[in-house]
Amino acid sequence: KNQVEQSPQSLIILEGKNCTLQCNYTVSPFSNLRWYKQDTGRGPVSLTIMTFSENTKSNGRYTATLDADTKQSSLHITASQLSDSASYICVVRDNFGNEKLTFGTGTRLTIIP
Amino acid sequence: EAQVTQNPRYLITVTGKKLTVTCSQNMNHEYMSWYRQDPGLGLRQIYYSMNVEVTDKGDVPEGYKVSRKEKRNFPLILESPSPNQTSLYFCASRREGVETQYFGPGTRLLVL
Repeated sequence: KNQVEQSPQSLIILEGKNCTLQCNYTVSPFSNLRWYKQDTGRGPVSLTIMTFSENTKSNGRYTATLDADTKQSSLHITASQLSDSASYICVVRDNFGNEKLTFGTGTRLTIIP
Repeated sequence: EAQVTQNPRYLITVTGKKLTVTCSQNMNHEYMSWYRQDPGLGLRQIYYSMNVEVTDKGDVPEGYKVSRKEKRNFPLILESPSPNQTSLYFCASRREGVETQYFGPGTRLLVL
C-alpha cells in the first residue's frame, strides 16, 4: 500500500532559526512529490513540486530536496518567521495517469518569538 | 480573482438528512477533487474528476456521491449523512498538464 510518512509530527523553534522537515514515501511508480503549507482552518497551498529528475527546488525561504533512490524528501525553512507557523504536508502522486494522491499526515510547526 | 469556492463553509445537520456541498472554480480547470481531513489521518481523497462527466473513486468514497455536469462545478452529495462523516472537507482543482493544485477554503461539517 502506498504510504507517505512525515517526521517529526510537531516541532517548535525560535523565530529566526532554521529547521528541516522529513518525508519518506513508498509510492510507486513515482510521478512527483509536493510540499504544501496549511494554515489552521484553511486550505493547503502549494510550496514546491518536484519530479523524478529534480533533486532540489526553492521557493523563497523554503527549499525542498528529493532523493528518488531512497524515496526521501526534506523541506528546509531558513530564517523562520512567525508566519511560518502552520502544518506542512508532503504529498506524492503516482505515475498511473490518474488523479490519486497520497498524503502524509503533516508536521505541525510552531514558531515562537 | 482566480479561486475555488465552497458552500456552505459551516454546516450542522442530523443523521440521514441529505445534503450537498458545492464546489466551484473559475479557472477553467479540468481536474477537480474532494478531500476530507480528520485529526491524525491527514487529507484523504473522496472522489476526483478529470473532466466533465468523468469521475472516479478516491480512497474513501463510501457514503458520498459526486457529479460533474459542468466544468466549473463539482458538488459533493451525502445522501444519508452519518456521524462518522463529521469532518473538514476540501475541494481542489488544477489544470491538465499543470501539477499545481488550488484548494478551496474548506467546509466544516458536523453530523449529529
